[in-house]
Amino acid sequence: DIQMTQSPSSLSASVGDRVTITCQASQDISNYLNWYQQKPGKAPKLLIYDASNLETGVPSRFSGSGSGTDFTFTINSLQPEDIATYYCQQYDNLPRTFGQGTKVEIK
Amino acid sequence: EVQLVESGGGLVKPGGSLRLSCAASGFTFSSYSMNWVRQAPGKGLEWVSSISSRSSYIYYADSVKGRFTISRDNAKNSLFLQMNSLRAEDTAVYYCARDRLVGATRGNFDYWGQGTLVTVSS
Repeated sequence: DIQMTQSPSSLSASVGDRVTITCQASQDISNYLNWYQQKPGKAPKLLIYDASNLETGVPSRFSGSGSGTDFTFTINSLQPEDIATYYCQQYDNLPRTFGQGTKVEIK
Repeated sequence: EVQLVESGGGLVKPGGSLRLSCAASGFTFSSYSMNWVRQAPGKGLEWVSSISSRSSYIYYADSVKGRFTISRDNAKNSLFLQMNSLRAEDTAVYYCARDRLVGATRGNFDYWGQGTLVTVSS
C-alpha cells in the first residue's frame, strides 16, 4: 500500500497568514493526488484534484502543487472559515490511501 | 443539486451484520462510480470499497475483504454496503462518495453524503 505522510499534524496561524501543508507519498504517484477539507461534524469536501487543479467553486486562495512523491497544499491569506482538518489522498493505486490529516486552527 | 443520503447505521454486536444504503439524486447515478469511505471516531479517513458504474469492477480494502459487499441498483439510484462479521474496529461513520469523472473509477471523491454511524459493541 502507498503510505501518505502529512506534516505538520496541526498548526496554528493568524487570519491573513499563508499556510502550507506537505504530503509525501511512499512511492511515485505522478500527480494523482487530492486534497480535502473536513470541518467538524461534516463530510469531507474535495478542494484540489490532480495535485493542482482547483475544484469548481473552491476559493482561489487554496492551491496545490507537486508531483512524484512530494506535494504541497497552500492557503493564501487564512480565513476564519478555513478552520478544518485537511487530508491528502492518493489515487494512483488501490487501495486509495489518505494522509493522517492536518488540523488548522486560528491563533 | 447532487445529494447523497446514507442510512442503515446503528448499534450492532460483534459478529453481527448491517446493511447500509445511500440514496442518490441530482445526477445520472448510473454513469458514475461510487465509493464507501469510513472514519473511526476521532480518526482519519479510510477508503473501504468502490464499484464502477455498471458494477463491472469492484474493489475492497484488505481490512473488509471477505466480510463486506458493495452493490448498487441503478434503477433505484441506490448504493449499498452489506457488512457481515462486524468487529469493534469497524466502528466508524460511513460515507458514500461519488467519483468525480463520468464512467471512471478514478478515486476523486467530489460529492459525499452526511455519513451514517456504525457502532460495533457488545
